[in-house]
Formats: sequence, structure tokens, C-alpha cells
Amino acid sequence: GQQLNQSPQSMFIQEGEDVSMNCTSSSIFNTWLWYKQEPGEGPVLLIALYKAGELTSNGRLTAQFGITRKDSFLNISASIPSDVGIYFCAGQNYGGSQGNLIFGKGTKLSVKP
Amino acid sequence: DAGVIQSPRHEVTEMGQEVTLRCKPISGHNSLFWYRQTMMRGLELLIYFNNNVPIDDSGMPEDRFSAKMPNASFSTLKIQPSEPRDSAVYFCASSPRQGAIYGYTFGSGTRLTVV
Repeated sequence: GQQLNQSPQSMFIQEGEDVSMNCTSSSIFNTWLWYKQEPGEGPVLLIALYKAGELTSNGRLTAQFGITRKDSFLNISASIPSDVGIYFCAGQNYGGSQGNLIFGKGTKLSVKP
Repeated sequence: DAGVIQSPRHEVTEMGQEVTLRCKPISGHNSLFWYRQTMMRGLELLIYFNNNVPIDDSGMPEDRFSAKMPNASFSTLKIQPSEPRDSAVYFCASSPRQGAIYGYTFGSGTRLTVV
């Protein structure tokens, strides 16, 4: 089945540092989404990307939809302790089921004050 | 807006018992999704509904799993009989319309433990 490769699996950083994570797919996606999940809660949508090359920001978060349509990255600038959580990329591909949003395995972010 | 509401938050049951998970989507959302999250497999789509009609149930693991959506404000996911390998966090999500471009809003999940 479809798979998204998300890296890194985990990150341990100091407060104030910038963070970068990415997702790649073997097939083309027409939508990329980035979610954050905190302990005991469901994923929460951070950023949505709808076309190749699109660069979108949400506060300290910036995400880009790769030109090849097979990758996306998420950057977090000047990290703070509340950025801790698991970040998931998710995508929907051409030809796939209209409702099937495929998720990466997540990047677990730890921020040391 | 109360968001997507799932119940119970935690469920511990013995192998062989029937388990029913419940979901109330956001009012006005026409699409509803059931996902399962495990350490090994991550988030997997089990089934989704559009306008209360099941559209794709290819992710349902086996016949022991069934899902219903009798009306626009309620859905259930049932496991009968339950097995230890069903232990996972089950999420319900809803979306205004069919299609990922609208984004999905997730509930807080039901953590199921089958012993």
C-alpha cells in the first residue's frame, strides 16, 4: 500500500533552535497536510498545502509542497517547550480513494528548556 | 464548537468480549472517518462515511470489525469478538466534505486495551 517516509523519527533540541522535518512518497500527492499530536489527544491540523511549490506559514511554522509532488517539509523556528509533541505529515494521492488520507509515522519532538 | 466527541476515552475489556466505540462528528460535517493508531503501524484508516453512507471499508481488518452511521450526528465502531491485537487508540475524525483538502478534525480518541 501507499507509504509516507517521514524523518527524522525523533529530535531532541534546545529551546530556541530551529527544527526541520520532511516527508517523502514514492507516488504523487495532490494534497499535503501537517498535523501535531500531543499526549492523550488526537492530531490537530497545523498547515495544509494544495499545489506543487506552495510555501505556507502559520506563525513560527513553515511548510512547503515539493515541486515533484512527492515530498514536503515542515520547519519550526525558534522552538519553545510547548512545541513538544509528535508531528505527522499526511497526504492524499491522485487516484487514491477520495477519503484516504495517508499518514507518516511521525517525528517526535522534544524541546529542552 | 465542541469538536469531535468520542466515548469512552478508555476501555479495558477481556478477550472475546464485544466492544463498541462511539463518535459524534462536528455538526454540519458530511464525512466521518475511523482511524486506528498503533506504535507499529501508525495511523491507519479503517473506514469512512460520506453523508452517512460507507464509502471505503477496505481498511477494516476483518469481519470482527463493523461500523455504522445511523444518522449525521452519530457513528459506532464495533469489535466482536475482541482480541488482544486489537489494542490500540481508535480515532474518529470528521470533515466538512469528502476530500483531504478540507482537512480532518480528530477527536481525542478511545484507548482500547484487550486483555
